[in-house]
Amino acid sequence: GQQVMQIPQYQHVQEGEDFTTYCNSSTTLSNIQWYKQRPGGHPVFLIQLVKSGEVKKQKRLTFQFGEAKKNSSLHITATQTTDVGTYFCAGRGGYQKVTFGIGTKLQVIP
Amino acid sequence: DAGVIQSPRHEVTEMGQEVTLRCKPISGHDYLFWYRQTMMRGLELLIYFNNNVPIDDSGMPEDRFSAKMPNASFSTLKIQPSEPRDSAVYFCASTRGGGDTQYFGPGTRLTVL
Repeated sequence: GQQVMQIPQYQHVQEGEDFTTYCNSSTTLSNIQWYKQRPGGHPVFLIQLVKSGEVKKQKRLTFQFGEAKKNSSLHITATQTTDVGTYFCAGRGGYQKVTFGIGTKLQVIP
Repeated sequence: DAGVIQSPRHEVTEMGQEVTLRCKPISGHDYLFWYRQTMMRGLELLIYFNNNVPIDDSGMPEDRFSAKMPNASFSTLKIQPSEPRDSAVYFCASTRGGGDTQYFGPGTRLTVL
């Protein structure tokens, strides 16, 4: 079945440093979504990417969808303590159900 | 606009007891999902409904778990009998028209002693 792998699982960065998490699928995806879960909270939708090679930005966050639609990345520029949380990717291939990655837990050291 | 509502927010029970988790999706959403989140396994899809009908329950761990959606505004996830390994956060999420953007509830933190 479809698998969505996400790395790294944990990342500690100094405040002000950049951060990137990567998502790879075993199958071609129709789309990919990114979610953020604050500690003790619930996943909150950030963005959806649909087109091959698509790049979208939200302030300091940059999301990319690979040309082959099998991988994606989330890059945060100049991290802040408010960026702390777990970032999940979720993708669907064809008629399969949406599959979530394991998540990347980001810790920002002030 | 109210989001997805889940109750209870916390549940502590003893092994062998029945546990019922409740979810009210966002009004107008026709898909409802139940997830379980643990440190070891991350976010696992247990079951999802479309128009109150269960579509895929392949993620339900075993027969001790059951889910129902008697109407468009209410769903339950029941564990009977509960076991310590069922301890986790259970999320309900909903979406509309088959769109893949899911709106999650606050979750129920279940502890089985």
